[in-house]
Amino acid sequence: AQKVTQAQTEISVVEKEDVTLDCVYETRDTTYYLFWYKQPPSGELVFLIRRNSFDEQNEISGRYSWNFQKSTSSFNFTITASQVVDSAVYFCALSERISNFGNEKLTFGTGTRLTIIP
Amino acid sequence: DSGVTQTPKHLITATGQRVTLRCSPRSGDLSVYWYQQSLDQGLQFLIQYYNGEERAKGNILERFSAQQFPDLHSELNLSSLELGDSALYFCASSVNPSTDTQYFGPGTRLTVL
Repeated sequence: AQKVTQAQTEISVVEKEDVTLDCVYETRDTTYYLFWYKQPPSGELVFLIRRNSFDEQNEISGRYSWNFQKSTSSFNFTITASQVVDSAVYFCALSERISNFGNEKLTFGTGTRLTIIP
Repeated sequence: DSGVTQTPKHLITATGQRVTLRCSPRSGDLSVYWYQQSLDQGLQFLIQYYNGEERAKGNILERFSAQQFPDLHSELNLSSLELGDSALYFCASSVNPSTDTQYFGPGTRLTVL
């Protein structure tokens, strides 16, 4: 079965520090997608990024960057110069094929609660 | 704002009761997913619909059912509620049922007393 592990349950850093959230996954699929979602205190799930298993290029979006390494089955997320607004729970997720129609569901990790201290 | 809407935002009810949660997908999205987020189980996939048809089931209890209507909105029905059903229920939508990004609604927080 597919599995996503986010070993860091909680992280606290002082504002402006850089922080990396770890994600390790297990899958037997050769083609899959990895995602990161943010859940702020208000509760909604906000999509951050989707990465195809064939694309191992790192991605940068403003202060956010993602490092995908297939060799170690990891998809880590770094926030540079953290801000208080980054405080949230962050979830890593893996797509899993669940039917012959090609339908996929998301398998989520347990999340990492990030607190940015002003 | 993801474009996915869910109503109601909060729901408080008693054990044994039945409730209906509603979801409207993003414009143009044909696929709807339901997920449950609870403290002990985390985020879990419940069920998926595509263009009105059920396509996949996850860890959904027999007391729970869902449907997707011709206008593509979806409803999740929870019956014979138990204390353990208290959770945040998310609806997500995507254009296609595979490979596309799922965009999540704001969720419905269900409290069973």
